[in-house]
Amino acid sequence: EIVLTQSPGTLSLSPGERATLSCRASQSVSSYLAWYQQKPGQAPRLLIYDASNRATGIPVRFSGSGSGTDFTLTISSLEPEDFAIYYCQQRSNWPRTFGQGTKVEIK
Amino acid sequence: EVHLLESGGGLGQPGGSLRLSCTASGFTFSDYAMSWVRQAPGKGLEWVSAISGSGGSTSYADSVKGRFTISRDNSRNTLYLQLNSLRVEDTAVYYCAKERAPGIAVAGTLDYWGQGALVTVSS
Repeated sequence: EIVLTQSPGTLSLSPGERATLSCRASQSVSSYLAWYQQKPGQAPRLLIYDASNRATGIPVRFSGSGSGTDFTLTISSLEPEDFAIYYCQQRSNWPRTFGQGTKVEIK
Repeated sequence: EVHLLESGGGLGQPGGSLRLSCTASGFTFSDYAMSWVRQAPGKGLEWVSAISGSGGSTSYADSVKGRFTISRDNSRNTLYLQLNSLRVEDTAVYYCAKERAPGIAVAGTLDYWGQGALVTVSS
């Protein structure tokens, strides 16, 4: 099973600041990595797929990069609605696995 | 507009059974692999099971293999998850989710999710 490790666990930032979230895989997943956003009481929402492709309707302030074992989700300028938990997920191998999540909270 | 609606959650006893359903609309159901993902209270996400668009290919997490069965009825646009031999650790919100790309045999990227169905296993 591929283990995804996200860092940091919590990111405390102010609106307008840049957020950089990391996801590291225990073995190469090529570019088969997605990012999801989840707010309390809601289902996850797909943000980025295949490392760097924005999903339909996702604002351009969200971007993804990386390949192999190291990936980054960047939010260029945080909006109030961006404070949430973010998960990475790989589709290279079965079982599909998620990272443990990074919480982006208001400072 | 894509819409996924889960039903069938509730309280189950250890060793008992429950069946979850997910009714889909807004897309050609049979063209897309589907999945179940669960989230224990206050915890992260766990991919439970996936099924191809035809229903001919299924995959399971080790934690549920031999106890849970995924299936689909394309004539009814409905996905199912049969949960048998329930354990306390199966307590979670169960989400039904759609694969992003058509024709993929084993779902890998989930672009639409239902609102979730809570399953509580307790005596």
